Amino acid sequence: DGGITQSPKYLFRKEGQNVTLSCEQNLNHDAMYWYRQDPGQGLRLIYYSQIVNDFQKGDIAEGYSVSREKKESFPLTVTSAQKNPTAFYLCATKASGYAYEQYFGPGTRLTVT
Amino acid sequence: KQEVTQIPAALSVPEGENLVLNCSFTDSAIYNLQWFRQDPGKGLTSLLLIQSSQREQTSGRLNASLDKSSGRSTLYIAASQPGDSATYLCAAQGGSEKLVFGKGTKLTVNP
Repeated sequence: DGGITQSPKYLFRKEGQNVTLSCEQNLNHDAMYWYRQDPGQGLRLIYYSQIVNDFQKGDIAEGYSVSREKKESFPLTVTSAQKNPTAFYLCATKASGYAYEQYFGPGTRLTVT
Repeated sequence: KQEVTQIPAALSVPEGENLVLNCSFTDSAIYNLQWFRQDPGKGLTSLLLIQSSQREQTSGRLNASLDKSSGRSTLYIAASQPGDSATYLCAAQGGSEKLVFGKGTKLTVNP
């Protein structure tokens, strides 16, 4: 069964704790992305990676960290430095090049209280 | 910096109506434009991708067009159904692997 897996679907944390969101893909895509979605704000890019062991900051990288040790995996850590971490987080993948679509996982809803 | 705008933010139509969703972008130097659908609480589903060399793409009742010179794309939905109710987003890809998204149009099709 091919696709993008994000786990867990819902995540609850106390303020001040770091939390890691999982994203796994078996589409053999080179590029992986993390977005944050808030009501009325649209999708905002946090980090993206075009190749293993390399990643770039997106528009709102402060308070987040990522790693890309394997092609299949791109975990996102939300650190205690992120001021407003409660949001819907979406992982996406894409084959390299301009002829290919971006595909999304089902998302993780993070609530920090 | 590329900016993508979708107007209107929300649209309500009766079942069976043909409708057009609009997407505009400020930088015409794009390589492709992609349309997505998002249901509440779900991830995005890719609908159509139009490469810069193409003028339109079709999939079933959906037809997307691209006019780079005017910075516009439209998504045409024929014979709308209640199951088409969702938020529709467009995204433009420029000279990198990054996509710039609009905020979406929330479509409601009333039975």
